[in-house]
Amino acid sequence: QSVLTQPPSVSGAPGQRVTISCTGSSSNIGAGHDVHWYQHLPGTAPKLLIYGNINRPSGVPDRFSGSKSGTSASLTITGLQAEDEADYYCQSYDTSLSGWVFGGGTKLTVL
Amino acid sequence: QVQLVESGGGVVLPGRSLRLSCAASGFSLTTLAMHWVRQAPGKGLEWVAFISYDGHNKYYADSVKGRFTISRDTSKNTLYLQMDSLRSDDTAIYYCAREGKIRGIYPFDFWGQGTLVTVSS
Repeated sequence: QSVLTQPPSVSGAPGQRVTISCTGSSSNIGAGHDVHWYQHLPGTAPKLLIYGNINRPSGVPDRFSGSKSGTSASLTITGLQAEDEADYYCQSYDTSLSGWVFGGGTKLTVL
Repeated sequence: QVQLVESGGGVVLPGRSLRLSCAASGFSLTTLAMHWVRQAPGKGLEWVAFISYDGHNKYYADSVKGRFTISRDTSKNTLYLQMDSLRSDDTAIYYCAREGKIRGIYPFDFWGQGTLVTVSS
């Protein structure tokens, strides 16, 4: 059971938009800790996609965007492409646990 | 460019020890904090351990506290994870990750490819 809750899977057709939610609590996201998002293809190094809730590192397409409100955060991908098929993880810090926490991960399938 | 290369994984008996290494290049371990993160088969990412940029502060997940030790050798620019009293539920791919500092925000900005640890009799 992950501290941050994500849907196990989402899917969409090429060109469509999908949103992945990340629900936390008052000791992590709700406490004001930043949320970061990572893209992970099995067997490869996870890649930073969004940092500080809404910021994109250089090189990440603007099709990827992040938001945060209260105890939740979201990752939105517009103009879905086949290459977006991967696992996506949210991550934050938890004050009660005194440690870094991840969501359970969401598998994105491009139909 | 930044590179992180893990090594040291393998098959080990329950109760035995293993030491993982993470060779860093393109930056100095004395400038940024580092983490170990693992992924068990079929599971998500789990944070394991942290070491501060100056090596003074170390934190661990409850699941490994007292059994795992994070350390570094700045002369070799290499991060380590000493894993003792290994259990079957420690079986996972272990990644080292750099904690970047981007405009006062601290994401895990670079990761290694991971090294597989299998604890089995």
